[in-house]
Amino acid sequence: EAGVAQSPRYKIIEKRQSVAFWCNPISGHATLYWYQQILGQGPKLLIQFQNNGVVDDSQLPKDRFSAERLKGVDSTLKIQPAKLEDSAVYLCASSSFRTSGGYNEQFFGPGTRLTVL
Amino acid sequence: DQQVKQNSPSLSVQEGRISILNCDYTNSMFDYFLWYKKYPAEGPTFLISISSIKDKNEDGRFTVFLNKSAKHLSLHIVPSQPGDSAVYFCAATGTASKLTFGTGTRLQVTL
Repeated sequence: EAGVAQSPRYKIIEKRQSVAFWCNPISGHATLYWYQQILGQGPKLLIQFQNNGVVDDSQLPKDRFSAERLKGVDSTLKIQPAKLEDSAVYLCASSSFRTSGGYNEQFFGPGTRLTVL
Repeated sequence: DQQVKQNSPSLSVQEGRISILNCDYTNSMFDYFLWYKKYPAEGPTFLISISSIKDKNEDGRFTVFLNKSAKHLSLHIVPSQPGDSAVYFCAATGTASKLTFGTGTRLQVTL
């Protein structure tokens, strides 16, 4: 079974430029997550999709960040314009649909390391 | 507001000895706890979990202990192996399945 795919793996941009990240989740996984991991911190959830609908985007800086998941499969995360503090690793994760109780394991991709100069 | 805390940024243990990684949480609504392991340039991978209705869960060399009254959990690795060298994240979740992560502990297992 193929894992979560992300691209690009690395990106360097100037502040105020735009950048986009792509994620392809594990086949059949209905739930997709984007996390931001700043150096020295744990991953922080930015947005969670269930199929192509947003479940939680409470921590997404909506003035500059946007995300979409068309057709409930692939997803893109965009930053426009980027700031120095956006330098981080952006992780995508997916999980199967949670039917009742318990917890559905999240599988993470390798991440995209963004450096904003 | 750091709801999940890992107060030790790093830990060094000799091969064959026990590694103990600690985690504290503040949100009493958390009912499921997980440990993730992360190697450089890779995403975190799930290691072991525990439900709040249990106080111990064991999987091979890995055991997680939960003390609900103290809002504390720990991960024990016995015996530690060089391949265990990685960053370990504690995470917690409630009914929404949203994970809240700690800041991580870098474990180095020396020969």
